[in-house]
Amino acid sequence: EVQLVESGGGLVQPGRSLRLSCTASGFTFGDYAMTWFRQAPGKGLEWVGFIRRGGTTEYAASVKGRFTISRDDSKSIAYLQMNSLKTEDTAVYYCTRYMDVWGKGTTVTVSS
Amino acid sequence: DIQMTQSPSSLSASVGDRVTITCRASQGIRNDLGWYQQKPGRAPKRLIYAASSLQSGVPSRFSGSGSGTEFTLTISSLQPEDFATYYCLQHNNYPWTFGQGTKVEIK
Repeated sequence: EVQLVESGGGLVQPGRSLRLSCTASGFTFGDYAMTWFRQAPGKGLEWVGFIRRGGTTEYAASVKGRFTISRDDSKSIAYLQMNSLKTEDTAVYYCTRYMDVWGKGTTVTVSS
Repeated sequence: DIQMTQSPSSLSASVGDRVTITCRASQGIRNDLGWYQQKPGRAPKRLIYAASSLQSGVPSRFSGSGSGTEFTLTISSLQPEDFATYYCLQHNNYPWTFGQGTKVEIK
């Protein structure tokens, strides 16, 4: 069964950092691009960024320069490193296999 | 950025009704569009990809159409489990962008 499990969420103060992980199973991880989305409380969905099979990345303007997506194909894990966090980064963060299979999400709350 | 205008923002319908949701792109996106269903507290689920291709395992009452700037998601006969919020997503150009969502409620 294809599965994605996000972890690493929690409560963090503004300006601090957090790293989310997305552990994949049930498919050949290295064959797929991986995407991160987020959803602020009571709001719609927002694309965060994307990492291709070769490791090149794209980001939304709202996170560019603060967030970094990486991958470890040997471990089947994608990462979202979030630096200089702002209160407006509070959301449920989802990783997806390109755009089809979604994890259940992990909650990030940025608050003092 | 490509703006995705989704309508309506909400609708009330009865079981068995035919439901249509529309997304308009601010510029042409070929068929680089997917439709997603989200239930409260759950992750989104992809229903349609490439504008009109049914995701494996999704009931055939869901269908998508369109190309360029106008896209439609149709539920041919609404079922109780279909009450949810629906989003379109364009992936033709960065940044990828979603429609605002359509909440389908029970009449």
